[in-house]
Amino acid sequence: DAKTTQPPSMDCAEGRAANLPCNHSTISGNEYVYWYRQIHSQGPQYIIHGLKNNETNEMASLIITEDRKSSTLILPHATLRDTAVYYCIVRGAGGTSYGKLTFGQGTILTVHP
Amino acid sequence: EPEVTQTPSHQVTQMGQEVILHCVPISNHLYFYWYRQILGQKVEFLVSFYNNEISEKSEIFDDQFSVERPDGSNFTLKIRSTKLEDSAMYFCASSERWDSTDTQYFGPGTRLTVL
Repeated sequence: DAKTTQPPSMDCAEGRAANLPCNHSTISGNEYVYWYRQIHSQGPQYIIHGLKNNETNEMASLIITEDRKSSTLILPHATLRDTAVYYCIVRGAGGTSYGKLTFGQGTILTVHP
Repeated sequence: EPEVTQTPSHQVTQMGQEVILHCVPISNHLYFYWYRQILGQKVEFLVSFYNNEISEKSEIFDDQFSVERPDGSNFTLKIRSTKLEDSAMYFCASSERWDSTDTQYFGPGTRLTVL
């Protein structure tokens, strides 16, 4: 699986958009970008995933650059409950590694009142 | 909304004892996983399971660990002889398919404390 790089921490004011970057410069053409988050020590929560097109769901938007070497997760109106560790994961596309998710250290997002 | 459940939420055991952690995956899911997270560290993959067989396992998943789907709803992780370093949060996950487009849904975790 391609390695990802994320800033260790970010701050955001409540009500503003939170933009969380992720670099994945070695991503392969058929690998997907997944985002999960973990609040306190709860189980990781799925947010969104994408291949090359931008994606949006009820939680967030995912912007993937044209060369696919980086992406940005956007929480459009952050709330205090969005304070969490956010993980950007590139999902393997070959052999037996489809299933495994490889978590990094992620970005600690702190939303301030 | 369907969710993965895990029991117990917290398990305390003595070193050398056997523990079994329980998971009920989402009902129509066919692929099951265990991950663990030692306090302050990354979430680590342990094992994936499909059709009553292990599909993939990590180096952490040694002979002390085993998984089982004893009936149509439960998925268990057994640690035969616990060590202090097994203390961690253990997360179960399930997915409908086995490909890079499918989503794994995680349970709330079991905190295992080995004394």
